[in-house]
Amino acid sequence: DAGVTQSPTHLIKTRGQQVTLRCSPKSGHDTVSWYQQALGQGPQFIFQYYEEEERQRGNFPDRFSGHQFPNYSSELNVNALLLGDSALYLCASSFLRTSGPYEQYFGPGTRLTVT
Amino acid sequence: QQQVKQSPQSLIVQKGGISIINCAYENTAFDYFPWYQQFPGKGPALLIAIRPDVSEKKEGRFTISFNKSAKQFSLHIMDSQPGDSATYFCAASMSGGYQKVTFGTGTKLQVIP
Repeated sequence: DAGVTQSPTHLIKTRGQQVTLRCSPKSGHDTVSWYQQALGQGPQFIFQYYEEEERQRGNFPDRFSGHQFPNYSSELNVNALLLGDSALYLCASSFLRTSGPYEQYFGPGTRLTVT
Repeated sequence: QQQVKQSPQSLIVQKGGISIINCAYENTAFDYFPWYQQFPGKGPALLIAIRPDVSEKKEGRFTISFNKSAKQFSLHIMDSQPGDSATYFCAASMSGGYQKVTFGTGTKLQVIP
C-alpha cells in the first residue's frame, strides 16, 4: 500500500512565476491538507480539502490556491512567487471523521526554491 | 500567532539517557495533542498522541505527560538511542471534522554514542 506521494521532489522557480505541486493521498483517505515548512520551522497549515472543496484555511494569501479531484488527489498552486515562498511543501492525507481525532499521514514533501 | 510553544530548540543526549521536550499551548479548544518525528528529507511521522482526558500515555520508550490546568505537555524518550536523532514536533488540534493541526517550532535531538 503506497503512502502519501508527492511530485515533484524538488523544484526551482523564479520570482513572479507560478508553480503547481501534486499530491496523491494514502489509499482509503478522502481528505488532503497542505502545509508549508520553512527551514528550521514547524509546518504551517495552508488549507484542507474534502469532497473537492476547501474546508479550512490557514493564514496564507490568495496567491495560494488548491484543488481536489474526484479521486481525492490534490494540487497546490502558488502564483506570483516570492523569495519567501521557498520552503518544503507537505501534503497530509486522512480519513475524515465527524468526531474524535484522526491521524494525518504526511508525504515526503516538495522542496521549492524561488530565486 | 504562535499557539504552540516548544522548547528546547535543540537537545544533545547521551545514548541511554532521557530526552525531554516541552510544549505549551494557548487555545483551550485544542483536544488532541500528537507528537511527530521528522528525519531529514522526510515528512513528519506520527509518533504518539494524547487527549486531555488522560495525564500520561506510554508507548514503548516514548511517554507523553499532559497537564491540562497548566496547558502544557511533554515528550519523554527513555533509553535514547542514536536512531532517535531527528527533529520532533509537538502539535495540537481540535479533533473531529475539518482538522487543522498547529505545530510547534521543533526540537532537533541528537543522541551521541
